[in-house]
Amino acid sequence: DSGVTQTPKHLITATGQRVTLRCSPRSGDLSVYWYQQSLDQGLQFLIQYYNGEERAKGNILERFSAQQFPDLHSELNLSSLELGDSALYFCASSGAQGYNEQFFGPGTRLTVL
Amino acid sequence: AQSVAQPEDQVNVAEGNPLTVKCTYSVSGNPYLFWYVQYPNRGLQFLLKYITGDNLVKGSYGFEAEFNKSQTSFHLKKPSALVSDSALYFCAVRDGGTGANNLFFGTGTRLTVIP
Repeated sequence: DSGVTQTPKHLITATGQRVTLRCSPRSGDLSVYWYQQSLDQGLQFLIQYYNGEERAKGNILERFSAQQFPDLHSELNLSSLELGDSALYFCASSGAQGYNEQFFGPGTRLTVL
Repeated sequence: AQSVAQPEDQVNVAEGNPLTVKCTYSVSGNPYLFWYVQYPNRGLQFLLKYITGDNLVKGSYGFEAEFNKSQTSFHLKKPSALVSDSALYFCAVRDGGTGANNLFFGTGTRLTVIP
């Protein structure tokens, strides 16, 4: 158990809908990262937050947004969903330093029908 | 730009034999290198990392990795493979010279240990 929790575990929705994925980092970790894993794109970094502020952005679509709350949990919002958004979405957390390893949650499997 | 290459999609090895999963990297500064393992329907589990110091890094479950700066490689190794090692392995890199801490992952190598 990595100490990172994600809800829900599975999500099935229709095209055009909006969903919210939730992540609670390990106790004490201020950094939260979101990654998308799909068969065709592999593991891709989406966005990083550090102590409530956006720190880095990767290949995140404009239809996607995220935030980190004062209690350090984070939410990833996906809107106007398309079939191609079906993927496994991982949250990870780490300490403040760049050499700290990231600990991954179990993921949320999103299926867009 | 940072990147990682895992040249083998699939590696098969007999139980008890040594295993190697290959990884090469490209960064502009000093690399921070990581190996993760993913079991079916699970998240990624951290195995080991190289930040600085000894080129041979020891990690979880008997795995080790060798950092080679001249060949820009960070191959994962284990002296004696177990069937339970069968999983998907990812190499990742972070550029130690940048402000962002996100990782760039390779495409993954599926390891199958044959009993």
